[in-house]
Amino acid sequence: NAGVMQNPRHLVRRRGQEARLRCSPMKGHSHVYWYRQLPEEGLKFMVYLQKENIIDESGMPKERFSAEFPKEGPSILRIQQVVRGDSAAYFCASSSGPRGEAFFGQGTRLTVV
Amino acid sequence: QKEVEQNSGPLSVPEGAIASLNCTYSDRGSQSFFWYRQYSGKSPELIMFIYSNGDKEDGRFTAQLNKASQYVSLLIRDSQPSDSATYLCAVKEGYQKVTFGIGTKLQVIP
Repeated sequence: NAGVMQNPRHLVRRRGQEARLRCSPMKGHSHVYWYRQLPEEGLKFMVYLQKENIIDESGMPKERFSAEFPKEGPSILRIQQVVRGDSAAYFCASSSGPRGEAFFGQGTRLTVV
Repeated sequence: QKEVEQNSGPLSVPEGAIASLNCTYSDRGSQSFFWYRQYSGKSPELIMFIYSNGDKEDGRFTAQLNKASQYVSLLIRDSQPSDSATYLCAVKEGYQKVTFGIGTKLQVIP
């Protein structure tokens, strides 16, 4: 019974490149949440998706960031033209429904050089 | 703006003692309440969830919910050094994001 799978675990990008972070939810889960965390700081909400729908994107920067959760395949968080300030740990969580418990993946550590 | 408030700590307790972690939330419509444990450099791990007023026990952990006071707590009995971590309180209402507190850093002193 695989948990939430995120890949890659570590990603290094040069300034101006694109970063694509993938999240496969737990089996049977159709709700996905993305969070960003800087060292020694709290979890910052980015976006909440259900399959083929964006429920809440209030935490997403207006530019360069986008997210999707297609009918088939993983959820993707895409960051275009990365800058050093994008360096952080990005966590994905999934739940079975709007009230269900959310379980986290291992995270993707993005480093922009 | 929905908020979840926690004391960032650190909270230091001796080994074998009870650790008490507290959390308040602003949204009266919140329906689901969670406690996560996060070790440094790791992802959050769900350790307790509670939906109804009262206490819920699981091993050494007890979650307490008081919706009238908008208060959630986590008790850890017989604290161990391995319990040293940051504990995140989180709340949710229906089709809304899971809102997290800043987390309380717990240090269990051997």
